[in-house]
Amino acid sequence: DIQMTQSPSSLSASLGDSVTITCRASHYISIYLNWYRQKPGKAPEFLIYAASTLQSGVPSRFSGSGSGTDFTLTISSLQPEDFATYYCQHSYRTPYTFGQGTKLEIK
Amino acid sequence: QVQLQESGPGLVKPSETLSLTCAVSGGSFDTNILWTWIRQPPGEGLEWIGEISHGGFTDYNPSLKSRLTISLDKSKSQVSLKLNSVTAADTAVYYCARTPSRHIVPSDPILNWFFDVWGRGTLVTVSS
Repeated sequence: DIQMTQSPSSLSASLGDSVTITCRASHYISIYLNWYRQKPGKAPEFLIYAASTLQSGVPSRFSGSGSGTDFTLTISSLQPEDFATYYCQHSYRTPYTFGQGTKLEIK
Repeated sequence: QVQLQESGPGLVKPSETLSLTCAVSGGSFDTNILWTWIRQPPGEGLEWIGEISHGGFTDYNPSLKSRLTISLDKSKSQVSLKLNSVTAADTAVYYCARTPSRHIVPSDPILNWFFDVWGRGTLVTVSS
């Protein structure tokens, strides 16, 4: 299985700040990388596919980059609804796997 | 707007079979859409369980394959999951997710599959 490792596991930030989350794959995955946001007690929401393409309706303050094994998710101008847990997920081959999650908390 | 709703027993005894259904509304079973089950143990991360295509082809997580069956009933607009011989380690919130794809690299035949619509999830506890 391809292992996905996110860093940091948690971080604190203030409203309006910009943050970056990193996701590293244990194997080359080209740009077959997706990002999700999960608010407490809710199902994950789909944000980004193909490493950098925003899903329709996702605010432009979200951006993704990377290819190969190293990827980032950047959220600029943090809003209250952004304080949640973020997961990366590869779709290079099955079994698809997720990162362990990055919990973004309000400072 | 496609909506998914998982349902099933909230409590299953060890060694028994966990059976869940995902009702799909507001959409059709397109030939280029997969339907995926994903689970999340309390306080933990997400685990891909397996998927099924419009034609009934399945792909399972090897860690669960020997105990798992995913099926599709297009007449009822339902996707089902059966996991037998459960243990406490199978305690989790179980989600179903619609799984479309994009061909994102022109020179590469691999499709990028992603989970764009999720059900609200259903908690299944394995306990005697």
